[in-house]
Amino acid sequence: AQKVTQAQTEISVVEKEDVTLDCVYETRDTTYYLFWYKQPPSGELVFLIRRNSFDEQNEISGRYSWNFQKSTSSFNFTITASQVVDSAVYFCALRSSASKIIFGSGTRLSIRP
Amino acid sequence: GAVVSQHPSWVICKSGTSVKIECRSLDFQATTMFWYRQFPKQSLMLMATSNEGSKATYEQGVEKDKFLINHASLTLSTLTVTSAHPEDSSFYICSARDLREPTYGYTFGSGTRLTVV
Repeated sequence: AQKVTQAQTEISVVEKEDVTLDCVYETRDTTYYLFWYKQPPSGELVFLIRRNSFDEQNEISGRYSWNFQKSTSSFNFTITASQVVDSAVYFCALRSSASKIIFGSGTRLSIRP
Repeated sequence: GAVVSQHPSWVICKSGTSVKIECRSLDFQATTMFWYRQFPKQSLMLMATSNEGSKATYEQGVEKDKFLINHASLTLSTLTVTSAHPEDSSFYICSARDLREPTYGYTFGSGTRLTVV
């Protein structure tokens, strides 16, 4: 069975703080893909990153960075020097052999000025 | 990049009526599209996988007769909520798989907020 767990329901930090969103996944497939999406209040899903199971390199994109560790089945997302515009719901998602994407429950991030 | 257009963005309908939501891939052909439902402050739950030219595959617990899916062309999938009731009020989002972009692969529509009164 496929499963994505985002244990943090809500996080609130003050602007400029660093914040890490946790994601733990379960799958029996050896080939799979992990995603992070941002959902602002308007509702659309904004694609942030895709990582396949064979690429454990961490990635940095501006203030965003991702830490993929197969040993712990985790794919955590860190925002450095957070800004108010980062406030949104963030979803971690998993796609495996069935080709459909399964989403975690989401983490609501609030950045206070 | 790949664009998926979803219409309408919001709709209000009376209980008992049917509502059709369209999902179009604008610049690519999508043999597979996905329909999700999201209740307030909850996650996106996959409802069904829509395959061009064949019947949709529904997830467990989703009523096939209630949520009719038609994927008649490579660029259009429709979701019809039949005999809608207030409990069907939700945010519906479609996603299309773009085989031209293996790096991303999935493009989401902007969603449809359905309110049944």
